Amino acid sequence: DADVTQTPRNRITKTGKRIMLECSQTKGHDRMYWYRQDPGLGLRLIYYSFDVKDINKGEISDGYSVSRQAQAKFSLSLESAIPNQTALYFCATSADATNEQYFGPGTRLTVT
Amino acid sequence: QKEVEQNSGPLSVPEGAIASLNCTYSDRVSQSFFWYRQYSGKSPELIMSIYSNGDKEDGRFTAQLNKASQYVSLLIRDSQPSDSATYLCAVKLGGATNKLIFGTGTLLAVQP
Repeated sequence: DADVTQTPRNRITKTGKRIMLECSQTKGHDRMYWYRQDPGLGLRLIYYSFDVKDINKGEISDGYSVSRQAQAKFSLSLESAIPNQTALYFCATSADATNEQYFGPGTRLTVT
Repeated sequence: QKEVEQNSGPLSVPEGAIASLNCTYSDRVSQSFFWYRQYSGKSPELIMSIYSNGDKEDGRFTAQLNKASQYVSLLIRDSQPSDSATYLCAVKLGGATNKLIFGTGTLLAVQP
């Protein structure tokens, strides 16, 4: 089945460490997104990409960077993790301008 | 004012009843609207999209859109305990942006 996968699924790291979250998809979608979800704040967009050469900041991009290595791969990096980046992170994809987005299983990140 | 607003709930309904979930949005030029279901600890799952005023039915689910009132709703008929989840409303912003804005979700509890 065409799918969206994320690695790792769970990660505990220390303040100041660099960490990368990876997303891969077999849906053949051009558009990919990174969100974080916090209790009471809902899903917030970090970065998005409409093709390999296109990277756009979302509403909360500070402290994060991304890389679109291929149509199917979109990575999120935290250069120097801080505790308030503890959250559930989701990757999503969409095929076109209808913006029906399909989510990966998520990565639970804890920064101590 | 938040861009997408939902009552956080919990909304409690008995098994077999109709659950009605509501969402209001502030961007008057929004054209695309989505309902996602999210079980605790899991990723959001797209269940309905609606683009035109009126009703759209899919099985036990009906989405209703009223652009003049900036209101979108989701009805779940014959509610089952397995429908117990958080329901997220998402709105695609108008204009050149292609971003979705998510509400914080309504927790639905279906009582057996």
